Amino acid sequence: EAGVAQSPRYKIIEKRQSVAFWCNPISGHATLYWYQQILGQGPKLLIQFQNNGVVDDSQLPKDRFSAERLKGVDSTLKIQPAKLEDSAVYLCASSLVVRGFYGYTFGSGTRLTVV
Amino acid sequence: QKEVEQNSGPLSVPEGAIASLNCTYSDRGSQSFFWYRQYSGKSPELIMSIYSNGDKEDGRFTAQLNKASQYVSLLIRDSQPSDSATYLCAVIPLNGNKLVFGAGTILRVKS
Repeated sequence: EAGVAQSPRYKIIEKRQSVAFWCNPISGHATLYWYQQILGQGPKLLIQFQNNGVVDDSQLPKDRFSAERLKGVDSTLKIQPAKLEDSAVYLCASSLVVRGFYGYTFGSGTRLTVV
Repeated sequence: QKEVEQNSGPLSVPEGAIASLNCTYSDRGSQSFFWYRQYSGKSPELIMSIYSNGDKEDGRFTAQLNKASQYVSLLIRDSQPSDSATYLCAVIPLNGNKLVFGAGTILRVKS
């Protein structure tokens, strides 16, 4: 089974520039998540999709962050304009709930550095 | 109050010892609990899940859950230097199927 694919692996941008990250979940996983992990902290959920609908975006800074999930499969997360405090690893995960068991799988992440 | 709290550490144990990692959570209705291991520069990797009160053992790992005390722990027996990593406690709260993470505990196993 192929894992969760993310790209790029690394990105360095200047503040006020824009950046986009891409995620391809495991085939058949209806739920997709974007997490932000700042150095020294645990992952924080930014947005959760069920198929192509948003379930939870309560912690997404909507003035600068946006996300979409095309046709319930691939997803992109965009930051425009970036701030220094956006420097973090952005993790995509997908899950399949089977009889109460949550099969969460994380991608390798995209490390963003804003200078 | 944070939803999931962990001692940030670092927790240092000698090789061969038992490492004990602790986690508390605030949502009393939470039903699913997980421990993830994260090596530096890598993504989190699931090592244990536990859904009911008591102990669950898998190899050198034992997860313990006490819902009355809202407490989850992970014991690592015969700790190895390769166990050195950050251990993240995660909970699925009552109101959804999203993982809520603690800040993680850094474990260092010294040979």
